[in-house]
Amino acid sequence: SQTIHQWPATLVQPVGSPLSLECTVEGTSNPNLYWYRQAAGRGLQLLFYSVGIGQISSEVPQNLSASRPQDRQFILSSKKLLLSDSGFYLCAWSRDRYGYTFGSGTRLTVV
Amino acid sequence: AQSVAQPEDQVNVAEGNPLTVKCTYSVSGNPYLFWYVQYPNRGLQFLLKYITGDNLVKGSYGFEAEFNKSQTSFHLKKPSALVSDSALYFCAVSHGSGNTGKLIFGQGTTLQVKP
Repeated sequence: SQTIHQWPATLVQPVGSPLSLECTVEGTSNPNLYWYRQAAGRGLQLLFYSVGIGQISSEVPQNLSASRPQDRQFILSSKKLLLSDSGFYLCAWSRDRYGYTFGSGTRLTVV
Repeated sequence: AQSVAQPEDQVNVAEGNPLTVKCTYSVSGNPYLFWYVQYPNRGLQFLLKYITGDNLVKGSYGFEAEFNKSQTSFHLKKPSALVSDSALYFCAVSHGSGNTGKLIFGQGTTLQVKP
């Protein structure tokens, strides 16, 4: 069966520090991968999605970037964090348009 | 542009009563619609989806949803609410072509079930 792993679960980082969040999927190949951010416990905003290695689409201009160095690995990064980057970050994968599975999320607090 | 609206920030019901969480959508082409539930500081759990076929979709934990094309709605329902159903509920639509789609979410509705 397929599983999705996301870490760390919580992270507290100072303003101006770098960020790296990692997401990996097991049990499938060539998944579509997504990063979402949830601010203030409400709506989910799509940040990036990827349909293959090295193929990244950005949905909104921001302080973050994403990379997909391996087929089942998706990384969210920042060179210098802002206070506004705080939130709950969710990774997801799909094989097609008929089903999406989410990771357990990372709570990022920028102080 | 594809969009999903959840008009209620919060829905309050008494345990044992039926519940409805509303969702309307705007998409071009055939809509692929989903409901997810989120408990505090947790990821999203899939409840049910409509791709094609019967307008009444049955899902996990006794939830169901009715697809109404003329009203562009996909309301989530449950005949008898439980206190444990209290959570944040998201409606979403898959937008894309072929096998590639992005999931676009509504703003979420907090369901509060009181004993």
